[in-house]
Amino acid sequence: AQSVTQPDIHITVSEGASLELRCNYSYGATPYLFWYVQSPGQGLQLLLKYFSGDTLVQGIKGFEAEFKRSQSSFNLRKPSVHWSDAAEYFCAVGATGGFKTIFGAGTRLFVKA
Amino acid sequence: AAGVIQSPRHLIKEKRETATLKCYPIPRHDTVYWYQQGPGQDPQFLISFYEKMQSDKGSIPDRFSAQQFSDYHSELNMSSLELGDSALYFCASSLGLGTPNYEQYFGPGTRLTVT
Repeated sequence: AQSVTQPDIHITVSEGASLELRCNYSYGATPYLFWYVQSPGQGLQLLLKYFSGDTLVQGIKGFEAEFKRSQSSFNLRKPSVHWSDAAEYFCAVGATGGFKTIFGAGTRLFVKA
Repeated sequence: AAGVIQSPRHLIKEKRETATLKCYPIPRHDTVYWYQQGPGQDPQFLISFYEKMQSDKGSIPDRFSAQQFSDYHSELNMSSLELGDSALYFCASSLGLGTPNYEQYFGPGTRLTVT
């Protein structure tokens, strides 16, 4: 069965420091992978996606993610975090066939001054 | 650019009442998905429709039903509401299935509170 694991429930990072959010997936075929961000009480905003090709994917707001098939990982990174990045981040996998998206439990990012 | 529209944005109901949530997909999108996100939880897939036919089903209670209409909008009907149904309900739409354009665009959600 498809699943997504985000091992960190929450992470605290100083403003200006680098960030890496971990994501591992379980899926038999080539997955469609996504990272979404959600501010409190708000909807889901797509940060970036991976379908195929270059394993390093650039997204919005300065985020990037690297697909590593050998590790079944799709970690999200940002070189310098801003206070406005504080939010909940969800890694997700989409089944080929496009019927549904399976989300990880999310990682809440706190940014300290 | 047009986005997914959900109405209402907020809804308060009492236990055992019914509720109907509406979703209007991005123009030309033919697939609609419904998700439920409880407090502090990740979004859970409920059901999806492709070209007005149910395409997949997740953890949707029997008290809930949904359909997609000829104009591709979708409605989620919830009956005999329970306190545990209080959640943020997202609708998403996409163009086609299993295509390079597969990407779900999420609406802002409907926050349902059952008292």
